[in-house]
Amino acid sequence: DVVMTQSPLSLPVTLGQPASISCTSSQSLVYSGNTYLNWFQQRPGQSPRRLIYKLSNRDSGVPDRFSGSGSGTDFTLKISRVEAEDVGVYYCMQDKDWPHTFGQGTKLEI
Amino acid sequence: EVQLVESGGGLVQPGGSLRLSCAASEFTFSDYWMGWVRQAPGKGLEWVANIKQDGSEKQYVDSVKGRFTISRDNAKKSLYLQMNSLRAEDTAVYYCVRPNFGSWWFDPRGQGTLVTVSS
Repeated sequence: DVVMTQSPLSLPVTLGQPASISCTSSQSLVYSGNTYLNWFQQRPGQSPRRLIYKLSNRDSGVPDRFSGSGSGTDFTLKISRVEAEDVGVYYCMQDKDWPHTFGQGTKLEI
Repeated sequence: EVQLVESGGGLVQPGGSLRLSCAASEFTFSDYWMGWVRQAPGKGLEWVANIKQDGSEKQYVDSVKGRFTISRDNAKKSLYLQMNSLRAEDTAVYYCVRPNFGSWWFDPRGQGTLVTVSS
């Protein structure tokens, strides 16, 4: 199975400051020109919400302060200026290979 | 707007069975792979199973193989998960998922359905 490793697991941030979450996969997530790495946000008490798909494509309605980058096996989710509504747990997920796998989650707190 | 509504969860004893359902709306259900993802209380996310558009291909995570069966009824726009021989470690909220723009997606308004396996 592809192992997804996130860091840090806990991320204290200051409002208005940038934040960054790293994700590493045990195998390349590149296939046919696409990188099958997605980012999800789960606010307290809510279902997961996809923020970024295929490495760097932002979902509709996702603020442009969120961005995804990386290549091959190393990936980053960046928040340019953290807002209070960004509190929650962030997961990376690969859907290149079966079984699809998630990182452990990074808890972002103000 | 695309909607996925899960149901069928509840309290069941170890060794028991339960059937989950997911009602889909506002998209052509038969055009999409569908899947189930679960989240144990206070834990992370785990993929459970996927099924191809016509039901001809199914994928399961090792921990549920031989115990869970994913199925679909395209005429009813519904996805199912038959769970047998349930164990305490199957206790989780189960979410129905589908691809969107070629990658898997949760309905952010979905609540999932809670399965509790306990005596």
